Amino acid sequence: AQSVSQHNHHVILSEAASLELGCNYSYGGTVNLFWYVQYPGQHLQLLLKYFSGDPLVKGIKGFEAEFIKSKFSFNLRKPSVQWSDTAEYFCAVKMGARNNNDMRFGAGTRLTVKP
Amino acid sequence: SQTIHQWPATLVQPVGSPLSLECTVEGTSNPNLYWYRQAAGRGLQLLFYSVGIGQISSEVPQNLSASRPQDRQFILSSKKLLLSDSGFYLCAWSPAVAAYNEQFFGPGTRLTVL
Repeated sequence: AQSVSQHNHHVILSEAASLELGCNYSYGGTVNLFWYVQYPGQHLQLLLKYFSGDPLVKGIKGFEAEFIKSKFSFNLRKPSVQWSDTAEYFCAVKMGARNNNDMRFGAGTRLTVKP
Repeated sequence: SQTIHQWPATLVQPVGSPLSLECTVEGTSNPNLYWYRQAAGRGLQLLFYSVGIGQISSEVPQNLSASRPQDRQFILSSKKLLLSDSGFYLCAWSPAVAAYNEQFFGPGTRLTVL
């Protein structure tokens, strides 16, 4: 079955630590990849997205993600986290080039950054 | 710019009562519209999507239904709520043009069924 896996349910870091959140998917065809973030009390919002081209994608607030096709992965990274990065992060994968409705979300990773 | 509204923000309903959650989008035409349920530790589950007025596709058979009476209005309903319907419901939209694949989310409705 097509699925999206986020391996870490809760990550706790100190400020200035480096972050890497894992995301893997199971689908052999064309994919579009997304990371969304939900800050406490706020809407889900897009951090970054990959459609094609350079597999290293840069998003807002210093986040980046790398698409490794051979590993079916799209891990999110940030070299130095801040307290304001405390939020829940969701990986999403649109599977198939034409069907805009087939977007699958991971279970989310809650990030807590200690000041 | 486009905005998406959901109401109510929170709702507490008894088992067996009806439900109507509303979602409206401003600033765009003919959007694709989606209803998701977000459960703790389980991510977002797509419930319904619509590509046009009166066109509803259901992803998961359940106690809920959806309707799209106007281009930018999407309604989630139930005739009789179950305890298991409790959750956080999110509405989202995406442009109809295939090249733009990201979805934009509303603020959500927290539903508690007692």
